[in-house]
Amino acid sequence: AQKVTQAQTEISVVEKEDVTLDCVYETRDTTYYLFWYKQPPSGELVFLIRRNSFDEQNEISGRYSWNFQKSTSSFNFTITASQVVDSAVYFCALINSGGSNYKLTFGKGTLLTVNP
Amino acid sequence: KAGVTQTPRYLIKTRGQQVTLSCSPISGHRSVSWYQQTPGQGLQFLFEYFSETQRNKGNFPGRFSGRQFSNSRSEMNVSTLELGDSALYLCASSLTIPGNEQFFGPGTRLTVL
Repeated sequence: AQKVTQAQTEISVVEKEDVTLDCVYETRDTTYYLFWYKQPPSGELVFLIRRNSFDEQNEISGRYSWNFQKSTSSFNFTITASQVVDSAVYFCALINSGGSNYKLTFGKGTLLTVNP
Repeated sequence: KAGVTQTPRYLIKTRGQQVTLSCSPISGHRSVSWYQQTPGQGLQFLFEYFSETQRNKGNFPGRFSGRQFSNSRSEMNVSTLELGDSALYLCASSLTIPGNEQFFGPGTRLTVL
């Protein structure tokens, strides 16, 4: 069975602070993909990143960075110099890339509020 | 390139009724997945279709069903609506398998009274 845990239910920061959103996953499969999605108040899930289980290289995209550590089954997301527009619910998700069980398993999400 | 579209965006029904939601994937995408989002349960997988065939199904009762047409458009149907079916229903499309990037539509917010 797959499981994604986002222990932080809500985080509140002041603009320009750095913030890290934690994600821990469980899977018995050796090949899988990890995702982060952003859900602003409008409701639409916005794709942020996909990471293959074989690729542990960290990634940076502007103010966003992701730290994937297979040894601890974690895929954490850091926003540097946060902005008010970053306020949203962020979801971490997992899907197996082998077999035929194409089910995306989501964490419960972390509500990030960035205050001016 | 147009994104995933879902219709209607909002829907109000009463208990016992049935409802049909529609999803049009991104052009060229053949895999369509459906998710239910509620405050209590979060995002839960309903089912996934590819080339008009249901490949995967989540743990939902048989009142929830879906189908996919030859143009990859998909519909989901919920019969005998219950109060607990009130949720945001999200559709996602990807090229061939959901392991590809999945792009989500804006969702249909269903309220059951």
